[in-house]
Amino acid sequence: DAGVIQSPRHEVTEMGQEVTLRCKPISGHDYLFWYRQTMMRGLELLIYFNNNVPIDDSGMPEDRFSAKMPNASFSTLKIQPSEPRDSAVYFCASRLRGWTDTQYFGPGTRLTVL
Amino acid sequence: AQSVTQPDIHITVSEGASLELRCNYSYGATPYLFWYVQSPGQGLQLLLKYFSGDTLVQGIKGFEAEFKRSQSSFNLRKPSVHWSDAAEYFCAVGSFNNAGNMLTFGGGTRLMVKP
Repeated sequence: DAGVIQSPRHEVTEMGQEVTLRCKPISGHDYLFWYRQTMMRGLELLIYFNNNVPIDDSGMPEDRFSAKMPNASFSTLKIQPSEPRDSAVYFCASRLRGWTDTQYFGPGTRLTVL
Repeated sequence: AQSVTQPDIHITVSEGASLELRCNYSYGATPYLFWYVQSPGQGLQLLLKYFSGDTLVQGIKGFEAEFKRSQSSFNLRKPSVHWSDAAEYFCAVGSFNNAGNMLTFGGGTRLMVKP
């Protein structure tokens, strides 16, 4: 399997623009997670899905952030409008099913908002 | 609420020396504990995990960790460090909440290896 795939790997945009990050989980995995990593706040869980349904979005910073999972093989994280403080590395991860299953991370998208 | 503390932000060791990275957790029930490693520009990779049973857990790349309930700790160890071990290491605790289950990560420890 190719692992968790994220695109783009790097994104540079200007403040106020819309940004869309994409994730393809490992085939057959029921859970998908979006994390944000910054120097100041470390690794934070933003939202996660189970069988394409959002379960917990309490980590989403504000209404400018939204996430969707239209099918089992694709998810997006959208920021509109983007702000410089959104600059971070965004990771997607997926997990097969149960608690004892490993959470596999993608390579991340490094977002820079100017 | 659960939390994870990694007291050491940076650690430098010489190649061939032993390594111990500290992790303390706070969780009301039996914890599920993980160690991940992140190489520069990469995602996180699972090193090992503890759910129950033997408190000494073996992982990949020669790493092991010991769960000590009395100390609320899950320290990561390696007897002889290689230059390729230079990376950032994250301890995490798995927990259930009303909505389901998820991982809470510590702040990470950056390991540097001197030749």
